[in-house]
Amino acid sequence: GAVVSQHPSWVICKSGTSVKIECRSLDFQATTMFWYRQFPKQSLMLMATSNEGSKATYEQGVEKDKFLINHASLTLSTLTVTSAHPEDSSFYICSASGGNPETQYFGPGTRLLVL
Amino acid sequence: GQNIDQPTEMTATEGAIVQINCTYQTSGFNGLFWYQQHAGEAPTFLSYNVLDGLEEKGRFSSFLSRSKGYSYLLLKELQMKDSASYLCAVSSNTGKLIFGQGTTLQVKP
Repeated sequence: GAVVSQHPSWVICKSGTSVKIECRSLDFQATTMFWYRQFPKQSLMLMATSNEGSKATYEQGVEKDKFLINHASLTLSTLTVTSAHPEDSSFYICSASGGNPETQYFGPGTRLLVL
Repeated sequence: GQNIDQPTEMTATEGAIVQINCTYQTSGFNGLFWYQQHAGEAPTFLSYNVLDGLEEKGRFSSFLSRSKGYSYLLLKELQMKDSASYLCAVSSNTGKLIFGQGTTLQVKP
């Protein structure tokens, strides 16, 4: 139980384009989903917290107009990186909680490379 | 402020026991998690402690002392596949996880 999927697992795009990443909880309803970013050899940095049906809460320093988050249902949240630039290249990981309210289960991550 | 400390790197021998420590100072506390992360992969859940004491799960055990702001992850009978980063994370009152920098464990033959 508590499986979270992410799609795509890898994406390479040109600078200036937008990229959408999907996060799905496969076997439980996720009341809350979280989006993280991880740079090489660094720990996870929380970008935003997303609750179903409401606006996401962004961490300080994260541009909400650049990183659009939609949590349309209890099993799906999307992160759209708009007008991506090379510095946005990173490992983006989502997590979901809901089955056990205290435990976050992570998706497999999406590696983004912006050329 | 929020602060979670754990050693950056550790090395141990296959078959041995290793203890990874984590100290924390956070404005709220709703439990402490340990995650394992292999290079290039997302973290996988190992353990959750919200009450003081030891939680044992197979080869892995986790301990918590809330009064001391201290936890450790104990790995027994180390295997080569245990080489990974181990992340200590504290759940705040808002449900957010605050991560430490992670401890990279290298298991040698």
